[in-house]
Amino acid sequence: GAVVSQHPSWVICKSGTSVKIECRSLDFQATTMFWYRQFPKQSLMLMATSNEGSKATYEQGVEKDKFLINHASLTLSTLTVTSAHPEDSSFYICSALLGGLYNEQFFGPGTRLTVL
Amino acid sequence: AQRVTQPEKLLSVFKGAPVELKCNYSYSGSPELFWYVQYSRQRLQLLLRHISRESIKGFTADLNKGETSFHLKKPFAQEEDSAMYYCALSGGSGGSNYKLTFGKGTLLTVNP
Repeated sequence: GAVVSQHPSWVICKSGTSVKIECRSLDFQATTMFWYRQFPKQSLMLMATSNEGSKATYEQGVEKDKFLINHASLTLSTLTVTSAHPEDSSFYICSALLGGLYNEQFFGPGTRLTVL
Repeated sequence: AQRVTQPEKLLSVFKGAPVELKCNYSYSGSPELFWYVQYSRQRLQLLLRHISRESIKGFTADLNKGETSFHLKKPFAQEEDSAMYYCALSGGSGGSNYKLTFGKGTLLTVNP
């Protein structure tokens, strides 16, 4: 089956530092990946759509300069949380779109970010 | 604006009982509806989607456009069905239309 990995699985950083999260499609190529944020006991909220070779499309209310997305290859998208603050602490989940008959999104295991 | 509503945060049933997880949506066009499941300490995975019209792990869901609903049903719940279930909607084919809007989820507990 299609597998998506995320690295790191968890990270703790100091306020003001930047953190990069990687999302990889391990056994398929994905021109489109998505980044979600999930607060405790809440649903997934789409942050942005990452398109290989072009700029990401951000959802309303998501600061593009705060959450930098790079999709430089067909198997890798990165999310960089710049100048992180405690309110950025959350669970970040990516998904990769597998094209074909049904165009299914496959999800990564998520990355827990804690900003001190 | 598209919206997915799951009215029940928690649902508890006994093993062997029927279960129905409710989902209502709001969308101006012809959406595609999904049910995702997240078992404890596992990643989100697709359970079923309305266009495939399949039954997965005994679960079925029928899209009712008149009632804008996509309720998930299983006639006889099993303990291993205990999980968080999310209803989701996308705008269908084409670029950013693949993006998903999720409901808030329903935590299903099947008691022995």
